[in-house]
Amino acid sequence: QKEVEQDPGPLSVPEGAIVSLNCTYSNSAFQYFMWYRQYSRKGPELLMYTYSSGNKEDGRFTAQVDKSSKYISLFIRDSQPSDSATYLCAPGGTPLVFGKGTRLSVIA
Amino acid sequence: NAGVTQTPKFRVLKTGQSMTLLCAQDMNHEYMYWYRQDPGMGLRLIHYSVGEGTTAKGEVPDGYNVSRLKKQNFLLGLESAAPSQTSVYFCASSISSTGTDSYEQYFGPGTRLTVT
Repeated sequence: QKEVEQDPGPLSVPEGAIVSLNCTYSNSAFQYFMWYRQYSRKGPELLMYTYSSGNKEDGRFTAQVDKSSKYISLFIRDSQPSDSATYLCAPGGTPLVFGKGTRLSVIA
Repeated sequence: NAGVTQTPKFRVLKTGQSMTLLCAQDMNHEYMYWYRQDPGMGLRLIHYSVGEGTTAKGEVPDGYNVSRLKKQNFLLGLESAAPSQTSVYFCASSISSTGTDSYEQYFGPGTRLTVT
C-alpha cells in the first residue's frame, strides 16, 4: 500500500463551484497534513496545513483531516479560474511524502 | 531575498554525459531536498540533507549523487545520464524537518532536463 494515495484527476469545474480534493494515507503516525498548490511550470508552494484531526479554514479554502479513517480533504468554495492548478497533499513525515497531485481546471 | 534558486533552468544531455544541478537558498535553512517530477508519478524524493556535510537517500536515489559542502548550496549530480532521467527536477528547503517548521518547504522554479 502506498503511503499517500491521491486521485490525479483531471478535475474540471465551472467557476463558482465547490471543489473537493481528497487523499488517503497509511501511516497513522502522521500529525501534520499539508496541501501544496502548483501552477503550471512552477514549483509547488504551501497552501495551508492542519495539525492532527479537525478542520482549518483560510478564506475560500478549508482543510479537513479525519485521522480515524486516514482521510484528508481540501475544499475550495466559490472556485475561481485562478485556482486552476495541481494540488498536492503531503502528510507530515520526515521528510514529507507527497501525493501525486490532482489537476484542477476552473472554467470561467 | 531570492529564496530558492536553481541552475540551470533547462538542459539537454546526450546519454552517458554528466552534469551537476545547483540549488542555492538564502534563508539559512537547515534542510534541503532534491525531487524529480514526472507525469503521473508526482514528486519523488531523490536525496535530502539535514545539514551541512550530511546527505541521505530518498525514494529514488539510483543514478544520482549529491553534496552539501555549504549550508546554502545543495548539488545534484548525474554521472552518466540515461533517458529515464528525463524529468523536471525541483530543489526545496525548510527550516528543519520536525515540529511546526516541518510543514513548509520552499521550492525552487525547477530544472527541465532532457536526456536523448
